[in-house]
Order: sequence, then structure tokens, then C-alpha cells
Amino acid sequence: QVQLVQSGAEVKKPGASVKVSCKASGYTFTGHYMHWVRQAPGEGLEWMGWITPNSGGTNYAQKFQGRVTMTRDTSISTAYMELSRLGSDDTAVYYCARGGDGYSAWGQGTLVTVSS
Amino acid sequence: EIVLTQSPGTLSLSPGERATLSCRASQSVSSSYLAWYQQKPGQTPRLLIYGASSRATGIPDRFSGSGSGTDFTLTISRLEPEDFAVYYCQQYGSSPMTFGQGAKVEIK
Repeated sequence: QVQLVQSGAEVKKPGASVKVSCKASGYTFTGHYMHWVRQAPGEGLEWMGWITPNSGGTNYAQKFQGRVTMTRDTSISTAYMELSRLGSDDTAVYYCARGGDGYSAWGQGTLVTVSS
Repeated sequence: EIVLTQSPGTLSLSPGERATLSCRASQSVSSSYLAWYQQKPGQTPRLLIYGASSRATGIPDRFSGSGSGTDFTLTISRLEPEDFAVYYCQQYGSSPMTFGQGAKVEIK
């Protein structure tokens, strides 16, 4: 079955960077875009961008341009999302989600807490 | 950017009742690339509907989606206790892929 397993929770100081991983299994990793979505505490879902694992091409939401980098390692079917210059408003659960007709598979989420 | 506005923000209903949730887009959604998700507290979102009206795998037939262009609806024909949750619509036809702000279905 399709599974996306994300890395564990992180605590970062303001100004730092965080890198979250998402390991895919149960399907052809290069056959589907990987999207990243975040959710601040008590808030809604916010789309951050996608990466196409086949070529490594990316498309980022304008809000995160210049701060986010999405990469992948096809040899281990893993996608990564790195967010730099963290602020307190980046405290959120970060999800990877397999693209296609809607997001039928989601990672379990990675809580990133930004606190001094 | 396509802005999605969901209404009502909160729907208070009893089990067995019908729930109707609306999602209105600021511009036409390409090829009806509109999805609905359910999220319960502490859980990841679950895909219910894609392509505006197609049920995702394993979704009960009490959930149905309809609409096109700028107006979309999610209907839950008879609410079960497990259906009380927050529902999000999302358009995935044009970048950036945007979500509605969410609508809560709560027990009356």
C-alpha cells in the first residue's frame, strides 16, 4: 500500500533552517509529483509547493519563494523540504502529499516548532 | 491565485441529518480539478472527493460532490457520528494550489 513516512519533530530557533524528509513506498516514486502542505496550530491547510521526482523540477508558492527548497533522492524514494530563515509563524505541522487527482496519500506530518 | 471561500463556517447538525457544504471560487476552476478533504482533530486530512464529483477509494456513498466552474458542493446525505469533522475544499488545476479556509460540521 502507498505510504509516506516523514521525519520526526523538530525544534528550531528563529533564523535557523529545517529540513523535513518524506520517504515513499508502495508506488513508483518518480510517477507522481510530491506536494508539501503545512498547517499552523488551529489553522487551515496551506500549500507550499511541489517537486516532480522524475526531473527534480519545482514550483513554489510565491509566499515561500526564496526561503523554501524542495529536493529529492530517487535512489531512496525520498523527498525533502527545507525552509530557511524560520520565524515563529513557521511553527506548524508540515505534510508531504502525493499528487494526482487530489492528495490520496499523506505523510503523518512533522511538527516544526520555532522558539527562542 | 484562485481564492476558495467555504460556507457556512460551522454547521451544527444531528446524526442522520443531511449536510451541505459550499465552496465558491474567485475564478473558474480548471477542468473541475476540485477536491474535498475531511480532517479530524490530531489526524491527517483524508481525500473524499476529487474531480469535483468522484469519490476516492473507500469513501462511503453518503458523501457526494457536485458543481463546476466556480460553485461546488459537498453533500453528506445522512451524518454518521464519525462524520463530525472539518472539511476543506482544494483546487488543484492551477498554481498555486489553494485550499478553502475549512468548514466545521459539529454535533448539535
